[in-house]
Amino acid sequence: LAKTTQPISMDSYEGQEVNITCSHNNIATNDYITWYQQFPSQGPRFIIQGYKTKVTNEVASLFIPADRKSSTLSLPRVSLSDTAVYYCLVGSKAAGNKLTFGGGTRVLVKP
Amino acid sequence: EPEVTQTPSHQVTQMGQEVILRCVPISNHLYFYWYRQILGQKVEFLVSFYNNEISEKSEIFDDQFSVERPDGSNFTLKIRSTKLEDSAMYFCASSEVTQGAKNSPLHFGNGTRLTVT
Repeated sequence: LAKTTQPISMDSYEGQEVNITCSHNNIATNDYITWYQQFPSQGPRFIIQGYKTKVTNEVASLFIPADRKSSTLSLPRVSLSDTAVYYCLVGSKAAGNKLTFGGGTRVLVKP
Repeated sequence: EPEVTQTPSHQVTQMGQEVILRCVPISNHLYFYWYRQILGQKVEFLVSFYNNEISEKSEIFDDQFSVERPDGSNFTLKIRSTKLEDSAMYFCASSEVTQGAKNSPLHFGNGTRLTVT
């Protein structure tokens, strides 16, 4: 299973763009990159998933360079309600059903 | 949007007692999971379940733990003899296909907070 490394925490202000980079140097060919968001006392919530290049949905964008050894989650114009822990996960069907959460990045959005 | 629901939201039990945590996964999902999160720590994988059998389990999931899908809708986690260190949030999740495959994210419930005294 590919190990991921993310910053422990990031501070931002309302209206700013937040970019969280995750390193996954030993990502396997079949691995997908998935990001989850977790608010206190709630279960993680799926944000976005990608394999390569760029993926965008109504919530975020995910940028994956050609070597796929890292990925960047971009949250445009954050609000106070985006304060949460963000997790980067890497895995595939070949790795089985044992997807592991790392420590995540605690994002604090200030007014 | 369909949700994973978990009951109870909070369970208090005494050390040595058995507890059963209940989950109703999303109806068309085929894969089911239990994770736990000790207060202030990261989300830890416990077990995954497919086709009425365990497909993966972690070292945390020892003989004290068991899972069951007793009918077509419920998915349960049983802890036979609870210990103080079992106190945590327990999250159930489900997915359409194996996690990590494209378009198969995990859908989590809001958890059961288990407090062992």
